[in-house]
Amino acid sequence: EAGVAQSPRYKIIEKRQSVAFWCNPISGHATLYWYQQILGQGPKLLIQFQNNGVVDDSQLPKDRFSAERLKGVDSTLKIQPAKLEDSAVYLCASRDRFTGELFFGEGSRLTVL
Amino acid sequence: KQEVTQIPAALSVPEGENLVLNCSFTDSAIYNLQWFRQDPGKGLTSLLLIQSSQREQTSGRLNASLDKSSGRSTLYIAASQPGDSATYLCAAGPGGTSYGKLTFGQGTILTVHP
Repeated sequence: EAGVAQSPRYKIIEKRQSVAFWCNPISGHATLYWYQQILGQGPKLLIQFQNNGVVDDSQLPKDRFSAERLKGVDSTLKIQPAKLEDSAVYLCASRDRFTGELFFGEGSRLTVL
Repeated sequence: KQEVTQIPAALSVPEGENLVLNCSFTDSAIYNLQWFRQDPGKGLTSLLLIQSSQREQTSGRLNASLDKSSGRSTLYIAASQPGDSATYLCAAGPGGTSYGKLTFGQGTILTVHP
C-alpha cells in the first residue's frame, strides 16, 4: 500500500515570495490534515479536510496561508507572502477511518530567507 | 485546551538497555493516543495506537501503555539497538467533533550508542 506522498521535499524562498506544497493521501482515506512542525517542536495542526470540505481551519493563518482539496483526494497548501517564521516542515497526514490511526508523509521542508 | 508533555527531552543509553519514555496529557477525555518515531529529516512513522478503551499495545520490542485517569502514557523499548535512535513523539487524539486532530508533545530524542 502506497503511503502519503508529498512534494517538493525541500524549498528555499525569500520572504514575501509564495510557495505551494502538494499532498496525495493514502487511497481511500477521506480525512486529510496539514501540520506545521517548527524545528525542535512537535507538529501543530493547521487544517483538516473531510473529503473536499474543510472541517477545521481555526489554526491556519488565513492572511497568508490557504489550502484546498478540490476533488477530495489531492491537497495543496499555499503560503503567500512567506515570512521568516514560516520556516518549518509541512507535514501532510491522512487517517484510516476504521482504526483512527494517522499516517504521515515525509514532509516538505521550507526555508524562508 | 489539551497540552502534551514528554519527559525526558533527550535520552542517551548504551545498546541493550531497556528504557521508558514518558508522555503526560492534561485533558483525559481522549479518544486515542498514538506514538510516532521521527528520523532526522523524515516524516513521522506510526509505532503504536492505543484506543481509550485499551490499557496497552505491543509491537515487537515496543510496548505502550495508557492510563487515562492519571493522564499518562509510557513507551517501553526492550533491548534497545542503535537503529532505535530517533525522536519519539506521542500525540493525544480527542473524540467528538475534534476526532483525529492530534495534539503532539515536543518529543524525546533517543540516542542508543553501541
